[in-house]
Amino acid sequence: DAGITQSPRHKVTETGTPVTLRCHQTENHRYMYWYRQDPGHGLRLIHYSYGVKDTDKGEVSDGYSVSRSKTEDFLLTLESATSSQTSVYFCAISGLAQSSYNEQFFGPGTRLTVL
Amino acid sequence: GDSVTQMEGPVTLSEEAFLTINCTYTATGYPSLFWYVQYPGEGLQLLLKATKADDKGSNKGFEATYRKETTSFHLEKGSVQVSDSAVYFCALSDLGNEKLTFGTGTRLTIIP
Repeated sequence: DAGITQSPRHKVTETGTPVTLRCHQTENHRYMYWYRQDPGHGLRLIHYSYGVKDTDKGEVSDGYSVSRSKTEDFLLTLESATSSQTSVYFCAISGLAQSSYNEQFFGPGTRLTVL
Repeated sequence: GDSVTQMEGPVTLSEEAFLTINCTYTATGYPSLFWYVQYPGEGLQLLLKATKADDKGSNKGFEATYRKETTSFHLEKGSVQVSDSAVYFCALSDLGNEKLTFGTGTRLTIIP
């Protein structure tokens, strides 16, 4: 168990509302990632972080922002949710000294529905 | 850029059958290769990995060999069980890159 949790686990919201998803880790991994999973697309990287206050865009970053103010928390925000952002969102972590830096551990996921 | 191509699913097999899920990749450098498994309602778990050519990753009866000459990392298991029913993802990470590139996943169903 890599000590990674996501909240909420399920959320239903309406188009145009802001939504924030939280990823929390307990093991001091350097890297944190947000992915979305959609049928036929596998997992696609939204944003990732390589340290506190250090973030970068992934392949599907439009409409999403992130923040990492402390090592253990990585927040994903949809400023104005749209129906195309209905998806399952996964957080992942990597970079602990004892394991390969590119071996990622995944959270349980958040199912988001935008009506 | 980097890419991973996986065998189209879904795949349905009888218990104790032999399993192969094909995976080929395109990468600019010398990638590490991974297989992840996702059980229903859960996140992804690392199943096995290989970091250089001819390495064989293995775990829970599954194996995959890093074939640089064919740019492949096919997943195999000699005798599948109902509990192996899941979605399997092939992925790569290029040298010096902390990001993973995933295939689209292959849904496997094992019937008793």
